[in-house]
Amino acid sequence: DIVMTQSPDSLAVSLGERATINCKSSQSVLYSSNNKNYLAWYQQKSGQPPKLLIYWASTRESGVPDRFSGSGSGTDFTLTISGLQAEDVAVYYCQQYYTTPYTFGQGTKLEIK
Amino acid sequence: QVQLQESGPGLVKPSQTLSLICTVSGGSISSGIYYWSWIRQPAGKGLEWIGHIYASGSTSYNPSLKSRVVISVDTSKNQFSLKLNSVTAADTAVYYCATDRGYSEYCFQYWGRGTLVTVSS
Repeated sequence: DIVMTQSPDSLAVSLGERATINCKSSQSVLYSSNNKNYLAWYQQKSGQPPKLLIYWASTRESGVPDRFSGSGSGTDFTLTISGLQAEDVAVYYCQQYYTTPYTFGQGTKLEIK
Repeated sequence: QVQLQESGPGLVKPSQTLSLICTVSGGSISSGIYYWSWIRQPAGKGLEWIGHIYASGSTSYNPSLKSRVVISVDTSKNQFSLKLNSVTAADTAVYYCATDRGYSEYCFQYWGRGTLVTVSS
């Protein structure tokens, strides 16, 4: 299985500031034939299912605010939230869909400082 | 837009079989566009992909659960189902059905609201 490791486990950021969450995979999730990284990011608010934010490591899902951005390639990825807003309080997960079993990171809890 | 709704018993006794159904609306399982997945989340913990099924009935399971899991599809009812046998307290979790973005993009775009299943005598 590909192991996904996120850092940090929790993060407190002031409103309007930048939040950065990292995700590392135990093996590359870059598919050489199409040069795409099979990596997604989700936001899960309390009591709700996860919501897809980013796929292909850097493509925003329709309707997701542009303050959310994804970057990285191969085994190292970053989710950046620029200009943190109160509604961004949530747990964030990365997920690889390069191969089954699809696996998720352990989650990063984002709070307001 | 695809909508999914889980249903099934909220309480299952140890050693018995957990059975859930996911009803799909706003899209057809038979379309062959999506894979249809089950994912679970123990309280306060992370997400675990259980497995998925295609319209043809082709399945893939997480090896950690493979010996106990069966996912099946009923295209006539636009539903797919999960059976997990020999359950223990460790199987207590919120169970989600979900589907991907389609066309081999296997990240999860649509999710049900989830249903809590507790394993207890």
